[in-house]
Amino acid sequence: ELKVEQNPLFLSMQEGKNYTIYCNYSTTSDRLYWYRQDPGKSLESLFVLLSNGAVKQEGRLMASLDTKARLSTLHITAAVHDLSATYFCAVANNNDMRFGAGTRLTVKP
Amino acid sequence: AAGVIQSPRHLIKEKRETATLKCYPIPRHDTVYWYQQGPGQDPQFLISFYEKMQSDKGSIPDRFSAQQFSDYHSELNMSSLELGDSALYFCASSLGGGFQETQYFGPGTRLLVL
Repeated sequence: ELKVEQNPLFLSMQEGKNYTIYCNYSTTSDRLYWYRQDPGKSLESLFVLLSNGAVKQEGRLMASLDTKARLSTLHITAAVHDLSATYFCAVANNNDMRFGAGTRLTVKP
Repeated sequence: AAGVIQSPRHLIKEKRETATLKCYPIPRHDTVYWYQQGPGQDPQFLISFYEKMQSDKGSIPDRFSAQQFSDYHSELNMSSLELGDSALYFCASSLGGGFQETQYFGPGTRLLVL
């Protein structure tokens, strides 16, 4: 069964600091997604990672995928308040998609 | 750019009633996914359709059914509603199925079962 573990679940950061969110999964997959969700809102697609070693960057966020370690990371550089949200990773295999529990990020001034 | 449209946006039902949620994908998208997100929970995949055929099945209860129509819109039918069905229901669409492509999520339908 495909399981996805995300940590930390809660993250409070100061503006300007760096941090990494981790996403581990249990079975072979080469499709991993990162989403952002603001309270009461829909999911916004951030990154789609489809191969081992894939690295994608958008603004202050950078995501990577290591399919051998079954690990993806979402790195936050020089955090700003606007990044405050819940971040989900999700992993797909042939016929299912599972989300991690989400990381609730709060960036404080 | 056109986005995924869901209706209604909010719905209040009583136990044992039925509900129908609708999803209109981005034009030319051929795949629709349905997800359920309980309060404070991560989204759970329910079911997906590709080219009007059921593609993948997740944790959709037997009381629920869904279909994709010739114009690619999809409807999620929920019967014998239970209190635990209260949740945010998202649909997402993509061009191509099997979770291979970026999914674009709709705004969601918030269902409250009393």
